[in-house]
Amino acid sequence: EAQVTQNPRYLITVTGKKLTVTCSQNMNHEYMSWYRQDPGLGLRQIYYSMNVEVTDKGDVPEGYKVSRKEKRNFPLILESPSPNQTSLYFCASSLDGTGWLFGPGTRLTVL
Amino acid sequence: QKEVEQNSGPLSVPEGAIASLNCTYSDRVSQSFFWYRQYSGKSPELIMSIYSNGDKEDGRFTAQLNKASQYVSLLIRDSQPSDSATYLCAGRNTGGFKTIFGAGTRLFVKA
Repeated sequence: EAQVTQNPRYLITVTGKKLTVTCSQNMNHEYMSWYRQDPGLGLRQIYYSMNVEVTDKGDVPEGYKVSRKEKRNFPLILESPSPNQTSLYFCASSLDGTGWLFGPGTRLTVL
Repeated sequence: QKEVEQNSGPLSVPEGAIASLNCTYSDRVSQSFFWYRQYSGKSPELIMSIYSNGDKEDGRFTAQLNKASQYVSLLIRDSQPSDSATYLCAGRNTGGFKTIFGAGTRLFVKA
């Protein structure tokens, strides 16, 4: 089954404690992306990747890091999380960077 | 002006009626447009894409693009209670690979 998986699905952490949210896709898609979704603001793109070792900033990259060392994986790293990063995060992949297939989401709370 | 703008709703229609969802976009957004459906607590799901001026039909869904007016719409014919969801309009940024989402319109279909 074609899918994007994310882990963990739920995470509660404290300010400043580094965390990583993993993302993996099994469709051999070139493009992958991270979004955050906040009430009233919709989905905002954090980072995207066009291929292995090729990444670029989206609209809200501050406070986040990504890496694309393998085609199937695209982890999101928060080096020093802050409460304003409390959000619902979605990883997504795409064959050509147009329509995206989304993962199930990770709900992050930073205290 | 927001890059992709939607009325947040809620839009309420009776079962069997046509639901009309609208979206406007700025010059920063390209000619590629997408509609996603998001059920409460779930991830967005791509339902339609449209790239050229005019109408595109897929089952009960019709997407319409008017480049001169910078306007995209989604019509849902014979609306069903199962169509009740938030509908997200998205466009690709001009000359790039970013996907920019509107905040979404909540649709309620009353049985």
